Amino acid sequence: KAGVTQTPRYLIKTRGQQVTLSCSPISGHRSVSWYQQTPGQGLQFLFEYFSETQRNKGNFPGRFSGRQFSNSRSEMNVSTLELGDSALYLCASSSLSGTGTGETQYFGPGTRLLVL
Amino acid sequence: AQSVTQLGSHVSVSEGALVLLRCNYSSSVPPYLFWYVQYPNQGLQLLLKYTSAATLVKGINGFEAEFKKSETSFHLTKPSAHMSDAAEYFCAGQSGNTPLVFGKGTRLSVIA
Repeated sequence: KAGVTQTPRYLIKTRGQQVTLSCSPISGHRSVSWYQQTPGQGLQFLFEYFSETQRNKGNFPGRFSGRQFSNSRSEMNVSTLELGDSALYLCASSSLSGTGTGETQYFGPGTRLLVL
Repeated sequence: AQSVTQLGSHVSVSEGALVLLRCNYSSSVPPYLFWYVQYPNQGLQLLLKYTSAATLVKGINGFEAEFKKSETSFHLTKPSAHMSDAAEYFCAGQSGNTPLVFGKGTRLSVIA
């Protein structure tokens, strides 16, 4: 079975621009969660989508948004980019919801975003 | 609320020595606990997972972890370190209706 894939792997943007990142989960998985990883803050939960519905949301500003399609693929969007948005963005998929079920989440390789 | 604390941001061991990475959790309900490993420029790979079936959990690559409720700990061990174990290790927990919460990570260096 193919693993979680994320595109693009690397991205350079300038302040004020917007960016869209894509995540394709493992076949059959219905949950996709997004995380931001930075050296200072570590791994922080952004949001989870399960069967096209946002199930949970972390403590991030409204500039961060996401969606999930009927084939379970997910996108996250960051508008009005700031320098502090530079990070590795990881998505993870699981067959059941990633919230409260103890279900194992399988991670993609991440998208490294650099904001100049 | 769930929180996970990893003691030591950097641990250095000699090749062949015992690896011990510490993780403590706080939770008002029995948690699910995980250890993940991250190699440079890669995502996270699951090493092992605790789901209350057994307190001693065996994972991949010779790692294991013991859940100790009295100490609220879930430390990761490996009897003999290998050079290929050098990576960053993350402890994570989940309880109730919360998403997965990660510790800050511990970078393991293995010295030849």
